[in-house]
Amino acid sequence: NFMLTQPHSVSESPGKTVTISCTRSSGSIATNYVQWYQQRPGSAPINVIYDDNQRPSGVPDRFSGSIDKSSNSASLSISGLKTEDEADYYCQSYDTSTWVFGGGTKLLVL
Amino acid sequence: QVHLVESGGGSVKPGGSLRLSCAASGFNFSDYYMIWVRQAPGKGLEWLSYISGSGPYTNSADSVKGRFTTSRDNTRNSLFLQMNSLRVEDTAVYYCARVRDGYSNSADYWGQGTLVTVSS
Repeated sequence: NFMLTQPHSVSESPGKTVTISCTRSSGSIATNYVQWYQQRPGSAPINVIYDDNQRPSGVPDRFSGSIDKSSNSASLSISGLKTEDEADYYCQSYDTSTWVFGGGTKLLVL
Repeated sequence: QVHLVESGGGSVKPGGSLRLSCAASGFNFSDYYMIWVRQAPGKGLEWLSYISGSGPYTNSADSVKGRFTTSRDNTRNSLFLQMNSLRVEDTAVYYCARVRDGYSNSADYWGQGTLVTVSS
């Protein structure tokens, strides 16, 4: 099966835009949709992007997702950063009856 | 509204068993695939299993295959995870989640989790 690789941590200032990458190790990133989850300390994950770039209702449009076939990766962008965005973010995809999560990225809003 | 509540966690010795439950409400339970995901202390999310709405289709991660069994009772709107031959490395918070309808294979609602500690 494949792996999804994310940076361990990223940091950015309030009001700025940050992008978190998620690289698929084998097979095309476009073969199966990519989802993104936000997890604040002590809380359950929340889905913030599904089907590569769709936002669930209630998720601010500051959150956006995309995929890039040339780098075989997906990205989560958060614009107008707020301190409340500080959390762990996980990408997730699927292949041959198996769900795969990335290792997670800690976002620090400094 | 959709609500998922896990229960059954606790402390157990290596080699022991536990059965986790996930009580669902606020939606037509039998229409949805469900999954189990766990998170070891300080670690990331690990998918464990899924089960189809009517229950005949399941699959598990290699790390738990043969030890953990996922089932559901649609008459009781409940999902279960039977965990046998538990190991120290199974210590984690265990979450149940609903799979969004359609073909996205994403989890749109999550429970708050139940802690399982495996220690001698």
